[in-house]
Amino acid sequence: GGIITQTPKFLIGQEGQKLTLKCQQNFNHDTMYWYRQDSGKGLRLIYYSITENDLQKGDLSEGYDASREKKSSFSLTVTSAQKNEMAVFLCASSPYWGGYEQYFGPGTRLTVL
Amino acid sequence: GDSVTQTEGLVTLTKGLPVMLNCTYQTTYSPFLFWYVQHLNEAPKLLLKSSTDNKRTEHQGFYATLHKSSSSFHLQKSSVQLSDSALYFCALNHAGAKLTFGGGTRLTVRP
Repeated sequence: GGIITQTPKFLIGQEGQKLTLKCQQNFNHDTMYWYRQDSGKGLRLIYYSITENDLQKGDLSEGYDASREKKSSFSLTVTSAQKNEMAVFLCASSPYWGGYEQYFGPGTRLTVL
Repeated sequence: GDSVTQTEGLVTLTKGLPVMLNCTYQTTYSPFLFWYVQHLNEAPKLLLKSSTDNKRTEHQGFYATLHKSSSSFHLQKSSVQLSDSALYFCALNHAGAKLTFGGGTRLTVRP
């Protein structure tokens, strides 16, 4: 088994601030993902990384940057936080690209004041 | 492109009743279908998966059958419990693709 750790659990920022969310996995999975989940709604893919040193934009990449520092870690940066933005950011990983289930972390809850 | 449709946004049932959550999909490839469950303030967890046509898949009292002829993968349970209250997502994948999620169905079970 393995686990995905996301830090911080709660993140409060100011409008226009640059904010960074971190994700670590010890599954030794190749592929990692960042999703945004608005309250009680579906998941939207922001960025993903098929392997170390790879970075791909998802459907919601505008306003975000990502970085795959090493196989086990994947960071997401909100480049300029928007006022009244509230969402949960979920990190996930999977063994390979395509056809395999994803394992999710507990999420980072973002509030922008 | 791929798409997944969950027609019910909210389902409310009394404990002990059966439930079916609908999931239909569109893809031109041979699909893998998944059901994820997300309890309040928790991470989504895999509940069921299938890529085999007309084969029933079961886990924790839930079951689903992938029907490629109708592009459906409905989630069912014969008797819901209070602990089944959660958000349920249907998702689709195929080789070389990202996971595509439906909008989710919130299931609330009343005593």
